[in-house]
Amino acid sequence: GQQLNQSPQSMFIQEGEDVSMNCTSSSIFNTWLWYKQDPGEGPVLLIALYKAGELTSNGRLTAQFGITRKDSFLNISASIPSDVGIYFCAGQRLETSYDKVIFGPGTSLSVIP
Amino acid sequence: DAGVIQSPRHEVTEMGQEVTLRCKPISGHNSLFWYRQTMMRGLELLIYFNNNVPIDDSGMPEDRFSAKMPNASFSTLKIQPSEPRDSAVYFCASRPNRVGAGELFFGEGSRLTVL
Repeated sequence: GQQLNQSPQSMFIQEGEDVSMNCTSSSIFNTWLWYKQDPGEGPVLLIALYKAGELTSNGRLTAQFGITRKDSFLNISASIPSDVGIYFCAGQRLETSYDKVIFGPGTSLSVIP
Repeated sequence: DAGVIQSPRHEVTEMGQEVTLRCKPISGHNSLFWYRQTMMRGLELLIYFNNNVPIDDSGMPEDRFSAKMPNASFSTLKIQPSEPRDSAVYFCASRPNRVGAGELFFGEGSRLTVL
């Protein structure tokens, strides 16, 4: 079945450092989504990407939809303590009559002040 | 604007008991999803409704699980009888139905513990 792989699985970085994480799949997706989940909360959408090659920014976050449509990456610049959480990628593809959304296993980010 | 509302936030029950989780999607959203999150398996899609009709329930673990969406503003996920392995956080998410919309909006989740 379809599966998304995220790397790294976890990261420990110093405050102020830049962060890069990615998401890959053996399948093509129409849309890539990046979510952040804080402890005890539901995932919150950070960035949505709709076109191959698209590069989109949201404050200190930048994400790109890979040209092959099988991958995406998320960068966080100048990390701060509140960036701590789990980051999920999600891919959406059209399957028969509806768009199925599949989530990756997540990247856990820890920021050391 | 109100987001996706789930209840209860926490539920502790004993094995064999019936559990009902509730969800109110964002007004105007036509799609509703139930996910289960565990450390071992991550976020798993259980069932997806579009315009109140179940479209894909292939992720529902077994017959003990059932979900309904009687109207556009309410859905339930029921587990009967519950088992310890059902312990997880259950999320409801909704999505607008416009063409190309991919963004799911999640509720805060219902944390279920089955003893």
